[in-house]
Amino acid sequence: DARVTQTPRHKVTEMGQEVTMRCQPILGHNTVFWYRQTMMQGLELLAYFRNRAPLDDSGMPKDRFSAEMPDATLATLKIQPSEPRDSAVYFCASGLAYGGEDEQFFGPGTRLTVL
Amino acid sequence: RKEVEQDPGPFNVPEGATVAFNCTYSNSASQSFFWYRQDCRKEPKLLMSVYSSGNEDGRFTAQLNRASQYISLLIRDSKLSDSATYLCVVNRIMNTGFQKLVFGTGTRLLVSP
Repeated sequence: DARVTQTPRHKVTEMGQEVTMRCQPILGHNTVFWYRQTMMQGLELLAYFRNRAPLDDSGMPKDRFSAEMPDATLATLKIQPSEPRDSAVYFCASGLAYGGEDEQFFGPGTRLTVL
Repeated sequence: RKEVEQDPGPFNVPEGATVAFNCTYSNSASQSFFWYRQDCRKEPKLLMSVYSSGNEDGRFTAQLNRASQYISLLIRDSKLSDSATYLCVVNRIMNTGFQKLVFGTGTRLLVSP
């Protein structure tokens, strides 16, 4: 049963600290997405990779957030320095896209609390 | 105005009831439409795609009205296990030609015994 995995599942940190979230997409999927979910804003797309190349990161605050795919089995999202307003659940999703968008499979999320 | 708008609910219904959710979208160029389901403190999962001709999957029926830019989800014979948040999702075509999904904030359904 192929699944997207994310680590850590929970993270509590203090303001100003660096946070790194990791995602392992489903093997063979060529698209990877990072989302942030809050009660007020719902699911917001932060970054989007296809075949490991970044296609869209317009939803991401560039001054503190960065997203990378060092290889096909690992995607990372970093926040440096973290702020209390970054507290949210961060989901990674992967999928197969053939020009259009197909189903996205979500990981269990990283629940981030910045104090 | 949000690109995808949904009534947040909650919709409180008894078991066996029929309930309908609506969703409107603002981007007339959107071509793909979906309903995702999200259980409390879990990840979203695809419930069903929405086709122009409408489609049915068991107790669930999805409809699309392109002229009104309106999507609906009908759940018949509600079960306790249907309690969840239902996310309306449409695609947005980027200037690059690629597409990304835009999620509504969801409609919460509570089915009671």
